[in-house]
Amino acid sequence: NAGVMQNPRHLVRRRGQEARLRCSPMKGHSHVYWYRQLPEEGLKFMVYLQKENIIDESGMPKERFSAEFPKEGPSILRIQQVVRGDSAAYFCASSPIDNEQFFGPGTRLTVL
Amino acid sequence: EDQVTQSPEALRLQEGESSSLNCSYTVSGLRGLFWYRQDPGKGPEFLFTLYSAGEEKEKERLKATLTKKESFLHITAPKPEDSATYLCAGIKAAGNKLTFGGGTRVLVKP
Repeated sequence: NAGVMQNPRHLVRRRGQEARLRCSPMKGHSHVYWYRQLPEEGLKFMVYLQKENIIDESGMPKERFSAEFPKEGPSILRIQQVVRGDSAAYFCASSPIDNEQFFGPGTRLTVL
Repeated sequence: EDQVTQSPEALRLQEGESSSLNCSYTVSGLRGLFWYRQDPGKGPEFLFTLYSAGEEKEKERLKATLTKKESFLHITAPKPEDSATYLCAGIKAAGNKLTFGGGTRVLVKP
């Protein structure tokens, strides 16, 4: 029973490029969450999605960031025109209904 | 504003030396309190969920307890492999987002 999968595990982008982070939830899980962990800071909620719906995006920066969870395929967190301050570990979690959230291994984004 | 505070920030223990980690929270309408373990370079690993004051859960050398204002993670006779950062997080009755504390870094020396 595979856990939450994220790819890529490491991503390097230059300032101004786009970053796409992918998350495949655990089998049977229909809820996906994205969290960000900045260097020397705690985990912060970004967005909560169900299939084809954004339920809560209160933690998403207003510009350049977007997320989707299509009917087919993984959830995508997209960051346009990346800046150095976007360098962080991005974690995806999934849950069945509204129970315990299980985390993936994360994507470490480095912006040069 | 919802807040979760963990103490101490770091804890150095000798193997076998039991201790407790504290997680205090001010989360309005708290539905549950989660504990996770995070190893360097990895994602948080789920340990426990506690839903009501007085509840306790155990797993190997770890026991989590919950009161109306705080939660404790007790580590009994720790081993070096228990070295990790332990995170607690609150979840509200409305909505599913977790509010995390800053974590406690535990180092167990042989």
